[in-house]
Amino acid sequence: AQKITQTQPGMFVQEKEAVTLDCTYDTSDQSYGLFWYKQPSSGEMIFLIYQGSYDEQNATEGRYSLNFQKARKSANLVISASQLGDSAMYFCAMRDTQGAQKLVFGQGTRLTINP
Amino acid sequence: GAVVSQHPSWVICKSGTSVKIECRSLDFQATTMFWYRQFPKQSLMLMATSNEGSKATYEQGVEKDKFLINHASLTLSTLTVTSAHPEDSSFYICSARKDAYYEQYFGPGTRLTVT
Repeated sequence: AQKITQTQPGMFVQEKEAVTLDCTYDTSDQSYGLFWYKQPSSGEMIFLIYQGSYDEQNATEGRYSLNFQKARKSANLVISASQLGDSAMYFCAMRDTQGAQKLVFGQGTRLTINP
Repeated sequence: GAVVSQHPSWVICKSGTSVKIECRSLDFQATTMFWYRQFPKQSLMLMATSNEGSKATYEQGVEKDKFLINHASLTLSTLTVTSAHPEDSSFYICSARKDAYYEQYFGPGTRLTVT
């Protein structure tokens, strides 16, 4: 079974600083996908970034980048130049490659950006 | 593109009554829809996977007779919470996917309060 672990329940960062949110995963599959989602207080799940297991380059999307270390089974999210609007819950997820290809979510990290 | 809506966005109902939540893919046809439940400060828990025209597949521990899922068309899935009780109060989120190799698009969620 696939498993996602986010060990940081909460993170506090000063505005404009970079922040790294940790995510480790466990799978026996060779082909898988890793996602990061942002969930503000409104509750909507906002897709941030995707990394495929065979992608050689780390994924980047604007201020978001994914530090993918396959051998260590980690997929950390890096947010550069943090903004107050980045305060939210962040979830790492893995796409199950079997059957319905469900998403398996980590426990989440609550990020608070201080002015 | 890839917009998913949910209705209602919030609902309050009395214990013992049933409530229906709709999930619609507005600009694409969704072969698969997923229903999640999220308790405060917790992660998303997958309840069931539904494919258009077939019975939903429920996750272990989810009562299928209590949480009725109907995926009647390629753009609509409904979740009916039958004989609701206060412990069913939660945030319910749906997601929709075109096919197995596409990402899931999330709806904005429905907050259910059972009094």
